[in-house]
Amino acid sequence: GQQVMQIPQYQHVQEGEDFTTYCNSSTTLSNIQWYKQRPGGHPVFLIQLVKSGEVKKQKRLTFQFGEAKKNSSLHITATQTTDVGTYFCAGLRSNDYKLSFGAGTTVTVRA
Amino acid sequence: EAGVAQSPRYKIIEKRQSVAFWCNPISGHATLYWYQQILGQGPKLLIQFQNNGVVDDSQLPKDRFSAERLKGVDSTLKIQPAKLEDSAVYLCASSLEGVPGELFFGEGSRLTVL
Repeated sequence: GQQVMQIPQYQHVQEGEDFTTYCNSSTTLSNIQWYKQRPGGHPVFLIQLVKSGEVKKQKRLTFQFGEAKKNSSLHITATQTTDVGTYFCAGLRSNDYKLSFGAGTTVTVRA
Repeated sequence: EAGVAQSPRYKIIEKRQSVAFWCNPISGHATLYWYQQILGQGPKLLIQFQNNGVVDDSQLPKDRFSAERLKGVDSTLKIQPAKLEDSAVYLCASSLEGVPGELFFGEGSRLTVL
């Protein structure tokens, strides 16, 4: 089954507001990747986090890797209509180096 | 740089029929993946190739699914016979590294089984 859990499954956001999506793994991860899939599109790589406690920013997006390397978060500030889509985390398990995708957080934006 | 190419983009078949999907990865990418994405779910790995060898096919339903990557470049995924629950998007991805780094996905092949 799914070993990487993402919450929430759906996020409805007013344009201009902030939101956070979370990713949790039952096992320690070597790294975690985040992808964005626009409606009708394919997943596109956003970022990879490797170090414990690592924080990376891409414009309005802030990605964080937990100290225990079992969880991660994506925070978007001042949401825009271009942020619509599904955000997936994918964790690379330390024990077998298998990449496991979460079920995703689907974001809709109210103008 | 050309991206990952997949065909066909859409396919509708009846249950028990067969179907094949083709993927050409980004030039120079040694690792090729086939994922199944059911509506509302995350991609699920079916098979991973490193050059022309299989690295992981633990989640491939081998009684009906098969895949090959002859010559270590393009790849074909076949389903025979198809079941209703095989309706999904089949995504091909490639990466430079053996241990998954950034994955580059193709547009996907959407399969509907009636």
